[in-house]
Amino acid sequence: DIQLTQSPSFLSASVGDRVTITCRASQGISSYLAWYQQKPGKAPKLLIYAASTLQSGVPSRFSGSGSGTEFTLTISSLQPEDFATYYCQQLNSFPRYTFGQGTKLEIK
Amino acid sequence: EVQLVESGGGLVQPGGSLTLSCAASGFDFSDYEMNWVRQAPGKGLEWVSYISSRGTNMYYAESVKGRFSIFRDNAKHSLYLQMNSLRAEDTAVYHCARVGYDSGGYTSSFDYWGQGALVTVSS
Repeated sequence: DIQLTQSPSFLSASVGDRVTITCRASQGISSYLAWYQQKPGKAPKLLIYAASTLQSGVPSRFSGSGSGTEFTLTISSLQPEDFATYYCQQLNSFPRYTFGQGTKLEIK
Repeated sequence: EVQLVESGGGLVQPGGSLTLSCAASGFDFSDYEMNWVRQAPGKGLEWVSYISSRGTNMYYAESVKGRFSIFRDNAKHSLYLQMNSLRAEDTAVYHCARVGYDSGGYTSSFDYWGQGALVTVSS
């Protein structure tokens, strides 16, 4: 199975900060990567698919980039509602679409 | 509005069985591949099982293969997960999730998720 490693696992930041989360794949996955946001007790919410395409309705402060084995999720200016856990997922290796271990974004 | 609503969770003893349901609405259920994803308490997301749109192809994570069965009833707009020989390590919230497609028709994400059903395996 393809392994995804997110860094950092924990991130402390302030409202207005620019933050970047990295996701590294154990082998090349082209651009078949999605990013999700999850708040406690809630279902994951799709933010970005195909590495860089913003899902409809997601604020433009979220952006994604990368291809192959290294990907990033950037939040340009953190808002209070952005404090959550973020997961990457590879969709290159059907059907075992594995997830990264998660990055918890906390308020500093 | 797309909605996925799970039901059937609960407390079960080790070795027991449980069947989860996922009721879909707001889209043509028979056109979409579906998955189950679980999340153990305080842990990350783990893909569990996949089923094709017509229900003819199914796949499982190694951790549940031989114990869990995924199936669907397109006429009832419902997805199911039958879980047998349950273990303590199966304790988790189980989410159903719809496959999303990009403009080229390729699988690109899990675009809609249910809130989840909690399964607790304990004596």
